[in-house]
Amino acid sequence: DAKTTQPNSMESNEEEPVHLPCNHSTISGTDYIHWYRQLPSQGPEYVIHGLTSNVNNRMASLAIAEDRKSSTLILHRATLRDAAVYYCILRGRGDYGSARQLTFGSGTQLTVLP
Amino acid sequence: NAGVTQTPKFQVLKTGQSMTLQCAQDMNHEYMSWYRQDPGMGLRLIHYSVGAGITDQGEVPNGYNVSRSTTEDFPLRLLLAAPSQTSVYFCASSYGPVSMNTEAFFGQGTRLTVV
Repeated sequence: DAKTTQPNSMESNEEEPVHLPCNHSTISGTDYIHWYRQLPSQGPEYVIHGLTSNVNNRMASLAIAEDRKSSTLILHRATLRDAAVYYCILRGRGDYGSARQLTFGSGTQLTVLP
Repeated sequence: NAGVTQTPKFQVLKTGQSMTLQCAQDMNHEYMSWYRQDPGMGLRLIHYSVGAGITDQGEVPNGYNVSRSTTEDFPLRLLLAAPSQTSVYFCASSYGPVSMNTEAFFGQGTRLTVV
């Protein structure tokens, strides 16, 4: 998987929007951008993914830069339950071998302040 | 659907003992994998399987064995437990390769301590 760079930690106030950045300057044209999060003492869970266009779902929005070298996960109104480690992961079309499985970096630890 | 179920949730082993971590999924997923997570680190792939009877090594396979006799189950065996295997273990499954429109589902984890 191509490398991603995320800040180690971020803080947000409850009920305010949160923008979690991810840099992926070596992304290839067929790499999808996936986001997972891991709540305390839980397994990771899928958040959202996209290729080129911005994406929205019930959990979050994903804004992808025009050159695709960076992306931002947007939580529109952070709640205390959103405190987690957020992982930005690139997945290529038709990965083979062990690359078929996710490769996790250290992610961004999001703290939500009441 | 129960999703991905891991048992046990907690386990303490003595050095040299053996045990099997169980993982079962009820989503008819072909792909299953085992990860370990050490404090303050991301998940590292141990072994994975792309279907019944097919397994392969991941990033950190030493000290672990797997088999996949059914689609539903993917047990992880520790043959001679060592303190370095103290970690939280996660099992994951997905319908296919996690790429375009396939997401991975994770279990709640097994916290293993080897003393």
